[in-house]
Amino acid sequence: DVQLLESGGGLVQPGGSLRLSCSASGFTFRHYAMTWVRQASGKGLEWVSAISASGASTHYAESVQGRLTISRDNSGHTTYLQMNSLRADDTAIYYCAKTVTRGVIPRGYLEDWGRGTLVIVSS
Amino acid sequence: EVLLTQSPGTLSLSPGESATLSCRASHRIDNSFAWYQQKPGQPPRLLISGASTRATGTPDRFSGSGSGTIFTLTISRLEPEDFAVYYCQQYEKSQGSFGRGTKLEI
Repeated sequence: DVQLLESGGGLVQPGGSLRLSCSASGFTFRHYAMTWVRQASGKGLEWVSAISASGASTHYAESVQGRLTISRDNSGHTTYLQMNSLRADDTAIYYCAKTVTRGVIPRGYLEDWGRGTLVIVSS
Repeated sequence: EVLLTQSPGTLSLSPGESATLSCRASHRIDNSFAWYQQKPGQPPRLLISGASTRATGTPDRFSGSGSGTIFTLTISRLEPEDFAVYYCQQYEKSQGSFGRGTKLEI
């Protein structure tokens, strides 16, 4: 079975940093793109960032461009989201998702999801 | 950025009835379109990809259709477990995007 386990969330002050991790198992990790999606409490889903299977291609939502960085370690089956210059509106549950694409560009549907990790940005 | 507008925001129905959920895209997109179901306290679950292909485990009472700018999720013969929030997603563009969701309530 596919398992995705996010970690690294917590309480951080505005302007601070966090690094989220998503540990994957149950599938051939290096064959799939990965996507981060976030959800503020009581709100809808927001697509955040995606990375290709090789890690060579990344995409970001305009709201996080320049502040968040996605990366992956295929040997360690882990995807990361480095979050800098955090703001109150970054407060959300962050989900990682196994992404099925048609090519090397990390555009695709989200076939499996983790349970998420909560990030709270507050002083 | 492709904006997705879901309607209605809330749909009140009873078990056994049929539901029609819509999603309108701000730009024409191909069939790179998906639907997800989310229940309280759970992550979203993929229902439909490619606008009309049911994911593994999706009951056949769920069907997706549409093209261009209008996409539809139809749920026939509603079961109690179908009452949840449904999101549409486009993945044609490099920046993916979701609709704001339709809450299907009893």
